[in-house]
Amino acid sequence: GNSVTQMEGPVTLSEEAFLTINCTYTATGYPSLFWYVQYPGEGLQLLLKATKADDKGSNKGFEATYRKETTSFHLEKGSVQVSDSAVYFCALSENTGNQFYFGTGTSLTVIP
Amino acid sequence: GAVVSQHPSWVICKSGTSVKIECRSLDFQATTMFWYRQFPKQSLMLMATSNEGSKATYEQGVEKDKFLINHASLTLSTLTVTSAHPEDSSFYICSADPPAGAQETQYFGPGTRLLVL
Repeated sequence: GNSVTQMEGPVTLSEEAFLTINCTYTATGYPSLFWYVQYPGEGLQLLLKATKADDKGSNKGFEATYRKETTSFHLEKGSVQVSDSAVYFCALSENTGNQFYFGTGTSLTVIP
Repeated sequence: GAVVSQHPSWVICKSGTSVKIECRSLDFQATTMFWYRQFPKQSLMLMATSNEGSKATYEQGVEKDKFLINHASLTLSTLTVTSAHPEDSSFYICSADPPAGAQETQYFGPGTRLLVL
């Protein structure tokens, strides 16, 4: 079956620190992979995505590379800001029916 | 851009009552919507797929008679939690298939937090 495992939080970093949030997946087919962000009191927003192996998704300084050999899609940012404080969800979709499978979410707090 | 709204954003109800949550697609028509539930410190779990004009498809373990889904129009799906109990307290999120050509794969609503006393 399909599932997503991401590192547990919460994660607390100082401003300008390097961020990595690990995400691994299992899938029966060839899924697309996503990172969603949920700011306090708001809905999920697509942060970045990758639709095939070796693709790199990037947005707002965040990056993640679709690694088929390690079934991973780790999220990275070189220098976090206070405004990056949010909950980050790794997800996959098999592209059939657009059903999503989410990780448990990782709460990030960036302190000045 | 396309937006999915949910109403209400917060609801508190007494045990045994029913609560209706609305999910609307703004500026676009959504033939398919999805309902998710998120428990504290857990992931979003798909509850059901809502198709306009037909019965919803429920995931294994989700009670159809307890979580009634109606997708009566191309812009509105409703989730009714019937005879709510404290264990139904959760964060409910809907999503919608975007219009053709959209960059995003899904548009998610802001969620509805339900607290059953």
